[in-house]
Amino acid sequence: DIQMTQSPSTLSASVGDRVTITCRASQSISRWLAWYQQKPGKAPNLLIYGASTLESGVPSRFSGSGSGTEFTLTISSLQPDDFATYYCQQYNSYSRTFGQGTKVEIK
Amino acid sequence: EVQLVESGGGLVQPGGSLRLSCAASGFTFKNYDMSWVRQAPGKGLEWVSYISRGASIKYHADSVKGRFTIYRDDAKNSLYLQMNSLRAEDTAIYYCVREREATADYWGQGTLVTVSS
Repeated sequence: DIQMTQSPSTLSASVGDRVTITCRASQSISRWLAWYQQKPGKAPNLLIYGASTLESGVPSRFSGSGSGTEFTLTISSLQPDDFATYYCQQYNSYSRTFGQGTKVEIK
Repeated sequence: EVQLVESGGGLVQPGGSLRLSCAASGFTFKNYDMSWVRQAPGKGLEWVSYISRGASIKYHADSVKGRFTIYRDDAKNSLYLQMNSLRAEDTAIYYCVREREATADYWGQGTLVTVSS
């Protein structure tokens, strides 16, 4: 199975900061990668798919890049509503795999 | 409006069985692949099972293979997860998700399964 490794596990940042989260796949997944945001007590919300395509309704401060085995999620200017946990997910095969998550905390 | 409503969770003893249901509305259910994703208390997300439109392809995570079965009833716009031989490590919130291009674009609110004696 393909393993997904996110870094960092926790990130402390301030409102207005530029934030980058990395996700690495154990083998090439082309651009078959999605990013989700989850807030406490809520179901996750799809942010980006196809490594860089923004889901409808998601603010443009979110962006994704990468291909093959290395991917990034960038928040250009962190807003109060963005403090949450972020997960990457590969879907290169029928067996989907999530990363372990990155918690973005208030500094 | 797309809605996914899970039910069937609860407390079950180790070795027991449970069937989760997901009632879908607001979209043409038969046209979409569906999955179950779970989240243990305080932990990350774990994809559990996948079923294609038409139910021709089913896939389960290694952690549940041979114990869980995913199936669907397109006439009832419903997705199911039959869980047998439950273990303590299966304790989690189980989410029903709709898939679009293999990503989970809509999620239910989740149903809690607790496996404990």
